[in-house]
Amino acid sequence: DQQVKQNSPSLSVQEGRISILNCDYTNSMFDYFLWYKKYPAEGPTFLISISSIKDKNEDGRFTVFLNKSAKHLSLHIVPSQPGDSAVYFCAIRIAGNNRKLIWGLGTSLAVNP
Amino acid sequence: DAGITQSPRHKVTETGTPVTLRCHQTENHRYMYWYRQDPGHGLRLIHYSYGVKDTDKGEVSDGYSVSRSKTEDFLLTLESATSSQTSVYFCAITSQGQGRSPLHFGNGTRLTVT
Repeated sequence: DQQVKQNSPSLSVQEGRISILNCDYTNSMFDYFLWYKKYPAEGPTFLISISSIKDKNEDGRFTVFLNKSAKHLSLHIVPSQPGDSAVYFCAIRIAGNNRKLIWGLGTSLAVNP
Repeated sequence: DAGITQSPRHKVTETGTPVTLRCHQTENHRYMYWYRQDPGHGLRLIHYSYGVKDTDKGEVSDGYSVSRSKTEDFLLTLESATSSQTSVYFCAITSQGQGRSPLHFGNGTRLTVT
């Protein structure tokens, strides 16, 4: 049973517009939420994170929103650029357990010029 | 970028043969992880290490063993490779454990078991 779900396997967006990637989770005992980006033939790279005590974190064009009541995490990319085309994974940590992350299956984002 | 290299990058082997994948880091990070990535499963943790000679199992550890005799090296061994172990394997490192500090991944090893 998947505790972390990325319900959209793929997303296509025009360059300059907003990309919104979503992640839903079932366990209230998660405390850190992370987004990773992955290009083909490379390992994932860390993008941005948020702790459960916050509801928003920004880093340049990337903003992560956390809605704990809805158990929903989202990543906004504004403006989207062709170089953002990649697979995006959300990963969530069980509270107090720094040895285990639970990963979503990923969303493939295509930003079209 | 974190100094982490995986070798080999690609390997084809036959069922029943032993295979060892190597992960080498130059960051002196305490924590090291082996993941596999498969379509429909995302990233799954195989084994991890929280220090020299300290290792533990992840969620898909059957058929795999690991060793960490030095801080910088974390080896993943498939004692007798099976076709179900065809996958892309990623090593990752972090200084404070997953979640508290970001994971830095290697570029992966694509293993094919025929």
